[in-house]
Amino acid sequence: QVQLQESGPGLVKPSQTLSLTCTVSGGSISSGSYYWSWIRQPAGKGLEWIGRIYTSGSTNYNPSLKSRVTISVDTSKNQFSLKLSSVTAADTAVYYCARGLGGYSYGLGGYNWFDPWGQGTLVTVSS
Amino acid sequence: DIVMTQSPDSLAVSLGERATINCKSSQSVLYSSNNKNYLAWYQQKPGQPPKLLIYWASTRESGVPDRFSGSGSGTDFTLTISSLQAEDVAVYYCQQYYSTPPGITFGPGTKVDIK
Repeated sequence: QVQLQESGPGLVKPSQTLSLTCTVSGGSISSGSYYWSWIRQPAGKGLEWIGRIYTSGSTNYNPSLKSRVTISVDTSKNQFSLKLSSVTAADTAVYYCARGLGGYSYGLGGYNWFDPWGQGTLVTVSS
Repeated sequence: DIVMTQSPDSLAVSLGERATINCKSSQSVLYSSNNKNYLAWYQQKPGQPPKLLIYWASTRESGVPDRFSGSGSGTDFTLTISSLQAEDVAVYYCQQYYSTPPGITFGPGTKVDIK
């Protein structure tokens, strides 16, 4: 079955760019109609959707983060990536990648729930 | 954005008893064109990622025990654990996927413990 694994630096300095990669195994990232997403969770808090990239390469971002977020895909490596610029301590969180299952509803657009999720990686923003 | 709220924040239930978690959306997530509610439920145990339990408000994910059930429509939803087991201790989140764009949103979570 499909498995996801996040990787990247665990410590990022304030004002720098956070970069994470999610490696997909057990299936091709470019097959099927999936939304590949990033979600984060500050310690002891709830879940915040960051954004997603569709199999076609189109992206959607959380409006609150949109100006700082870029999600991209590398089909040759079966990976997708997150870049979050100008980070502050408020960006400290466990970052999850997840596969979005769902579809498209005319009038609503693309929709998805998440399964499976990666194990998550803690990113701390500190000097 | 659609804001999701959950109640209670936490609850403690005796083993074998029923646990009920409520989720409310700030606007309807029922799409009239297909009569589907765009809502999912997840379970998150300590140190683990969330696990999908239910989507379309009431469709149980494959492999999820049938003691978990989802109900509701429009703006008010419920996750019910019919007979709480020790392994059900976790935080439960609801998620709407009606409003994308602008974005997917989660409820703040409900913690379930054993009484």
